[in-house]
Amino acid sequence: RKEVEQDPGPFNVPEGATVAFNCTYSNSASQSFFWYRQDCRKEPKLLMSVYSSGNEDGRFTAQLNRASQYISLLIRDSKLSDSATYLCVVNLGNYGQNFVFGPGTRLSVLP
Amino acid sequence: DAGVTQSPTHLIKTRGQQVTLRCSPKSGHDTVSWYQQALGQGPQFIFQYYEEEERQRGNFPDRFSGHQFPNYSSELNVNALLLGDSALYLCASSLAGFQETQYFGPGTRLLVL
Repeated sequence: RKEVEQDPGPFNVPEGATVAFNCTYSNSASQSFFWYRQDCRKEPKLLMSVYSSGNEDGRFTAQLNRASQYISLLIRDSKLSDSATYLCVVNLGNYGQNFVFGPGTRLSVLP
Repeated sequence: DAGVTQSPTHLIKTRGQQVTLRCSPKSGHDTVSWYQQALGQGPQFIFQYYEEEERQRGNFPDRFSGHQFPNYSSELNVNALLLGDSALYLCASSLAGFQETQYFGPGTRLLVL
């Protein structure tokens, strides 16, 4: 089983739609969790950290369920500019970092 | 405030050759991590350098080695290149104590023929 798995995608949605991405991780000792966004042929950029209490940043909501080892990202009122690959990231290290990236889920928001 | 820079942007090599990739961290950062991203995959952690030493290492063979200089810049060296080493190589920098906030450079795209 891969350490971090994500919905295979791609997701093609119309503007204004709500879309949810799912991610599971295998290492219960994982320390921290993130969603990154990667545009085509560009570097990954941090979208948001994910906390057990859940966190929201504008149209984006992230949730973490440690018991189920499951992470989610919800995008409301999607925009054309949200089109990108969304990478689920788990940090295995409690000293320094050992970031494990999922394979990513590609989102295309259509006009 | 300069972000993370990497050089070269693109590189073509043949099997068996050696390559050196370079990274300058974001101003004020002292920790550099290297990742390999194959087409259609997420980045894979190669190793992390802090205080000129390799602090953490992912599941990569010894053909992959690195170095960090006193000015915090870093090099990634790959020996005996294989076709499967073709990928985007990303450098990320962070500040010790805040390693979870990392900034990626634009990457070096390596093609091995």
